[in-house]
Amino acid sequence: SQQGEEDPQALSIQEGENATMNCSYKTSINNLQWYRQNSGRGLVHLILIRSNEREKHSGRLRVTLDTSKKSSSLLITASRAADTASYFCATGGGAQKLVFGQGTRLTINP
Amino acid sequence: NAGVTQTPKFQVLKTGQSMTLQCAQDMNHNSMYWYRQDPGMGLRLIYYSASEGTTDKGEVPNGYNVSRLNKREFSLRLESAAPSQTSVYFCASSRQGSNSNQPQHFGDGTRLSIL
Repeated sequence: SQQGEEDPQALSIQEGENATMNCSYKTSINNLQWYRQNSGRGLVHLILIRSNEREKHSGRLRVTLDTSKKSSSLLITASRAADTASYFCATGGGAQKLVFGQGTRLTINP
Repeated sequence: NAGVTQTPKFQVLKTGQSMTLQCAQDMNHNSMYWYRQDPGMGLRLIYYSASEGTTDKGEVPNGYNVSRLNKREFSLRLESAAPSQTSVYFCASSRQGSNSNQPQHFGDGTRLSIL
């Protein structure tokens, strides 16, 4: 069963614009992680936010977490063609296991 | 560092055949995982190994077996392949934590087709 659900399923924007992806989950979590997957490759870890954190930044990435709404968002600012990929949220609740959402396909148009 | 290495990258099998997918990591990680990725389904955990000598079932273990050969290697075996097992298989590893706070590092996958 999927814990996280990303929204939208697909997003297409112009280079230089900001991209926002959302993730909702159902049960309590210890942390939430975002991953990127380029076509034909494995997932790459982007950022981890713990349940007691509300916002975290890493370069052009900004992640927010609202545990009361069981939701998170990933903002990519000043998008580049190289940001074209699928983005997944994953929730951690214990026992070294993560549960992944279905992903958002992001396309950056030149 | 190679990170997580999976072999083979591609494989075509006939229904009923068996095969083993290999995974090795060189990051001295304690925990290793096997996922399958199907269109529209995201990643689903098949089996994981929290530490050397232990393995546990994930969300979709039926039809699979695993072996944690040593700290570096974690293999996934299909004893009698079925068309429903056509998928992309990913191996991942992470440092062991008391919970799942550790980021996971992924290989580039094995694309498996069962005819």
